[in-house]
Amino acid sequence: GENVEQHPSTLSVQEGDSAVIKCTYSDSASNYFPWYKQELGKGPQLIIDIRSNVGEKKDQRIAVTLNKTAKHFSLHITETQPEDSAVYFCAASINSGGYQKVTFGTGTKLQVIP
Amino acid sequence: ETGVTQTPRHLVMGMTNKKSLKCEQHLGHNAMYWYKQSAKKPLELMFVYNFKEQTENNSVPSRFSPECPNSSHLFLHLHTLQPEDSALYLCACRASGGGEQYFGPGTRLTVT
Repeated sequence: GENVEQHPSTLSVQEGDSAVIKCTYSDSASNYFPWYKQELGKGPQLIIDIRSNVGEKKDQRIAVTLNKTAKHFSLHITETQPEDSAVYFCAASINSGGYQKVTFGTGTKLQVIP
Repeated sequence: ETGVTQTPRHLVMGMTNKKSLKCEQHLGHNAMYWYKQSAKKPLELMFVYNFKEQTENNSVPSRFSPECPNSSHLFLHLHTLQPEDSALYLCACRASGGGEQYFGPGTRLTVT
């Protein structure tokens, strides 16, 4: 089955600096890569996603890059703010039996220091 | 508010108790999921329902029993749980065409 590895597990940055979280996946058939943000006491919420036919996607301060050959994808947050502090999960998704099966990474706890 | 609600938000139960977790989605999606979230581990997929039919049981022990009476409601019935079952249980739903999963806030379960 699919295996997703995520690094680092914790990340502290100064407010205004950039944060980068990296993930690798094992199954070349995976075709959808979402990133979720989970704040304390809440469920994960999608912040950005990318499909396998795209190499890069940007939404304001957040960008995701995908390298299908190397099977890795990354989340980039620029001009970080204290409200960016949360746990971030990457995921790789593959069609399985008529529905999409999602495999998550172990999460990165991001702390933005004011 | 993601359109997915879960009750109760917190639950403490003994190993001999029977309880149920409830999930309700107001998004009209056809796929519903149960995940287990433990500290320092990836989200673990437990069950998937697609159009009310169970399409995935990810080797979950029989002390967890899911039920999907209609496409808006999903239950997880619990009995004779173990302390290692203590975790955050998350429900999610997704449109049949794929894409984003919408998660509920979770039920924090503690088994004593």
